[in-house]
Amino acid sequence: AQKVTQAQTEISVVEKEDVTLDCVYETRDTTYYLFWYKQPPSGELVFLIRRNSFDEQNEISGRYSWNFQKSTSSFNFTITASQVVDSAVYFCALSVAGGYQKVTFGTGTKLQVIP
Amino acid sequence: NAGVTQTPKFRILKIGQSMTLQCTQDMNHNYMYWYRQDPGMGLKLIYYSVGAGITDKGEVPNGYNVSRSTTEDFPLRLELAAPSQTSVYFCASSPDSISNQPQHFGDGTRLSIL
Repeated sequence: AQKVTQAQTEISVVEKEDVTLDCVYETRDTTYYLFWYKQPPSGELVFLIRRNSFDEQNEISGRYSWNFQKSTSSFNFTITASQVVDSAVYFCALSVAGGYQKVTFGTGTKLQVIP
Repeated sequence: NAGVTQTPKFRILKIGQSMTLQCTQDMNHNYMYWYRQDPGMGLKLIYYSVGAGITDKGEVPNGYNVSRSTTEDFPLRLELAAPSQTSVYFCASSPDSISNQPQHFGDGTRLSIL
């Protein structure tokens, strides 16, 4: 069975601070995919990144960066120089290859960026 | 650029009423899903479909029914609304399961049962 743990329920930072959102996953499959989604106050789910289990390269996209470490089963998300628009709930998710693409979501981390 | 469209956006039901949440996608995706999101929780899968005429239960199917008569549409039916079904419902689609592409989500339907 798959499991995704986002231990940080809520985080508050002051604008321009860096913040890291933690994600720890569990799976017995060797081929799997990890995702991050953003849910702003308006409620929609916005896809941010997808990473497969064979690609441990870190990724940077503007102020966002992701650190994938198989050794610790973690896929952490860092926002550099946070902005008020980053305020949202962020979900980490895991799916395994094959089947119907069952996606297991974490419970989310609510990020509040204070101006 | 419609993507996944859900209607209605908001609805209030009385206990015991029934309703259908509509979901349509225009991306010709084979896979479609219904999730519910309870406050402070992640998304839980209710039902999914891998193609027209094929549906199956997810983690929390009790109290719901679905149908998939076309590739585009995947309605979710609540037969006897209960307060425990108060939630935000998301419909999603993906092209297949092989490549594990990210699912495309609708904007959600906020449903309250009173």
